[in-house]
Amino acid sequence: QSVLTQPPSVSAAPGQKVTISCSGSSSNIGNNYVSWYQQLPGTAPKLLIYDNNKRPSGIPDRFSGSKSGTSATLGITGLQTGDEADYYCGTWDSSLSADVFGTGTKVTVL
Amino acid sequence: QITLKESGPTLVKPTQTLTLTCTFSGFSLSTSGVGVGWIRQPPGKALEWLALIYWNDDKRYSPSLKSRLTITKDTSKNQVVLTMTNMDPVDTATYYCALPIADYSAAFDIWGQGTMVTVSS
Repeated sequence: QSVLTQPPSVSAAPGQKVTISCSGSSSNIGNNYVSWYQQLPGTAPKLLIYDNNKRPSGIPDRFSGSKSGTSATLGITGLQTGDEADYYCGTWDSSLSADVFGTGTKVTVL
Repeated sequence: QITLKESGPTLVKPTQTLTLTCTFSGFSLSTSGVGVGWIRQPPGKALEWLALIYWNDDKRYSPSLKSRLTITKDTSKNQVVLTMTNMDPVDTATYYCALPIADYSAAFDIWGQGTMVTVSS
């Protein structure tokens, strides 16, 4: 039902880098800012990235965001065991006049 | 310090109406540009945006749920209320209220702890 598509899972060893893609359309990612959230098990989502590539106060620069056309990417460098979580992208959809979230990606640290 | 907290029933029967309250502190919903949103998450599934109300009483709803949702605010009580009619077991989820990071932003910075609602007879 989500209009934003993410890979179900990604994995890498500690210290390595992972990237998570978020694919949308011109009515959402293509013309609006993208945000990214981290959700640890049993907790509320936490904002990691907003306005495509900005980090809220307290978010380490290991987390980065980018956008190109109708897709966005979250990068996590120096992967840590504490980064194991579900990650969601989000944006405004101008056609729906509603916020939309991605399908979610589970990050596993091998 | 900004906080939000959801409250409401943990169990509702099918066809009943759900009423959830988001009580917040640290900001005012009468300040220009401020909004509060509701998001839900069924067990093991993705986040789903439900509704958002702005300082000027402008309201936005998920198109797929619009006919069932009503969002209101009580500025004097620092509360936002979400009602959802005709509840169904598929509406079983954790319901969150959240504050965007900036005026009219779609990025939610501060979240409540969430409240789990089960729909069952």
